[in-house]
Amino acid sequence: DAGITQSPRHKVTETGTPVTLRCHQTENHRYMYWYRQDPGHGLRLIHYSYGVKDTDKGEVSDGYSVSRSKTEDFLLTLESATSSQTSVYFCAISVDRDQPQHFGDGTRLSIL
Amino acid sequence: RKEVEQDPGPFNVPEGATVAFNCTYSNSASQSFFWYRQDCRKEPKLLMSVYSSGNEDGRFTAQLNRASQYISLLIRDSKLSDSATYLCVVRAGTYKYIFGTGTRLKVLA
Repeated sequence: DAGITQSPRHKVTETGTPVTLRCHQTENHRYMYWYRQDPGHGLRLIHYSYGVKDTDKGEVSDGYSVSRSKTEDFLLTLESATSSQTSVYFCAISVDRDQPQHFGDGTRLSIL
Repeated sequence: RKEVEQDPGPFNVPEGATVAFNCTYSNSASQSFFWYRQDCRKEPKLLMSVYSSGNEDGRFTAQLNRASQYISLLIRDSKLSDSATYLCVVRAGTYKYIFGTGTRLKVLA
């Protein structure tokens, strides 16, 4: 399995609080991605990174920001969490942009 | 119309059966295609990439039909352990990966 660790694995928090999810990889892959998965939807891309300090928005980026200060870490921040951000969040990595992505175990986030 | 569409199922099949899933995509410029499996409350795991000429990996065969814009996955000799949701993934742009909502398979003893 690809060396990807997401933390925390589960989190329950209140509306309006900031939340940061961490993705850590040991594969030295250049590309990293954050997705959310909700019932009735396929995985949807929130943000992605194509190198240290190089990030861009995906299709559902509103309310989220990211940072990548090291190759191995990609952080997803919800500045002020809302109930609509309750979801399962997956981090993925790929060695190149046209290669398959490999996923972390996911973070189950509940915003009450 | 969704960019990637899959029959949600469930497909209930007996052990040993052959089952096939299709996935249609709307963007004719799509460049790469993959099948993933996802077990309940787990992460998606790559099952196989799909190549233009079709490809096989053990009991699994994937095919691409660009003219009709669909990919297929065939599973032969189904095992109980094949029970999962199968996700079709299409790369429609540089960073634009579109995931289907999945087809659920249940293999029955």
